[in-house]
Amino acid sequence: SYVLTQPPSVSVAPGQTARITCGGNNIGSKSVHWYQQKPGQAPVLVVYDDSDRPSGIPERFSGSNSGNTATLTISRVEAGDEADYYCQVWDSSSDHYWVFGGGTKLTVL
Amino acid sequence: EVQLVESGGGLVKPGGSLRLSCAASGFTFSSYSMNWVRQAPGKGLEWVSSISSSSSYIYYADSVKGRFTISRDNAKNSLYLQMNSLRAEDTAVYYCARGQSLVVVAATDYWGQGTLVTVSS
Repeated sequence: SYVLTQPPSVSVAPGQTARITCGGNNIGSKSVHWYQQKPGQAPVLVVYDDSDRPSGIPERFSGSNSGNTATLTISRVEAGDEADYYCQVWDSSSDHYWVFGGGTKLTVL
Repeated sequence: EVQLVESGGGLVKPGGSLRLSCAASGFTFSSYSMNWVRQAPGKGLEWVSSISSSSSYIYYADSVKGRFTISRDNAKNSLYLQMNSLRAEDTAVYYCARGQSLVVVAATDYWGQGTLVTVSS
């Protein structure tokens, strides 16, 4: 089965740039989606199809995907960005199913 | 405004059954794929099942295949998850989530607030 690997935690100071990676075998050939989840709340889609933003998501959130790594970049980080972030892909290589990464806790120092 | 409201969660004994429902409003339900995603206490997100807009395509995670059944009633704007032979490891908050389009490969752009399922004797 397809595996997505995320770092458990990333820390960044306010105003700096946070980069959260999502590793997978040839992930660059897949569409990657990213979700933000704050404690006690449902996930929110922040980036879809590698680099597109849903309406209402700040331009500070961006994504890229190439080779074996996809990256969610959050520029000018704010305290309100502190949350868990999950990457997701649809894998149809062996069977058809969604795969989530293990999640990354973003801490704003 | 898109709204997804789950119901049907609760406490059930191992081996028991539950049926979750998700009432959708604020969009043309029949034009979108739908999904169930769960989250065990303190753990990450786990995909459970997806269904295309017309129910033509249905997929399950290996962990629930043969025990759970997803379905939808487009006339009632409702999504369902029939869960049988429940196990302790099925304990989780279950989220109903809308796909961005009629096909299941689209990202999920709206999520409900979830319903808690606890499997314990």
